[in-house]
Amino acid sequence: DTGVSQNPRHKITKRGQNVTFRCDPISEHNRLYWYRQTLGQGPEFLTYFQNEAQLEKSRLLSDRFSAERPKGSFSTLEIQRTEQGDSAMYLCASSPVNEQFFGPGTRLTVL
Amino acid sequence: AQSVTQPDIHITVSEGASLELRCNYSYGATPYLFWYVQSPGQGLQLLLKYFSGDTLVQGIKGFEAEFKRSQSSFNLRKPSVHWSDAAEYFCAVVFPTGNQFYFGTGTSLTVIP
Repeated sequence: DTGVSQNPRHKITKRGQNVTFRCDPISEHNRLYWYRQTLGQGPEFLTYFQNEAQLEKSRLLSDRFSAERPKGSFSTLEIQRTEQGDSAMYLCASSPVNEQFFGPGTRLTVL
Repeated sequence: AQSVTQPDIHITVSEGASLELRCNYSYGATPYLFWYVQSPGQGLQLLLKYFSGDTLVQGIKGFEAEFKRSQSSFNLRKPSVHWSDAAEYFCAVVFPTGNQFYFGTGTSLTVIP
């Protein structure tokens, strides 16, 4: 399968713990996006990479959130000191240009 | 500010009936437009897209959408709904000069036998 993959698919953690998610994009796509989606809402933009450069970050992305894309390949999204409000689906999308292909998402539950 | 509006939070249709899901955007320029479908617990799958040209676009699974510049709308249609079409549908836009995609809040579709 050459689509976008995300791991883990589900993560349950306790409040205050750190979590890290991984996204493997479609290999020839140079753009990568992270979104957060809560129940009954559309995806909300978090951040965007072009190759290894993080070019945009949403105001939603507090300083507890950090994302990297070393060497312009896979990307990680880390949330430090998780809060219950961080519970959501975290979606990754890769993009050649002007079109996005989504991964299956990582469902985070913070207890 | 740019925004995407899906006025219908939830729609219920009978199997075999026609479907129209509404989407409006607000911005001065014409964006690129997309419809995605999401099944529970899954990522988003692209149904169709509009960049330019013919304002009626065909997508997968028998869906089509029509771009109306005068109404800033991009409504999704299907002539005959199947039970497997039950899902959440999202309209999205990206502006040609930008990189950020904007999504509507979604329309949940229920199909009754």
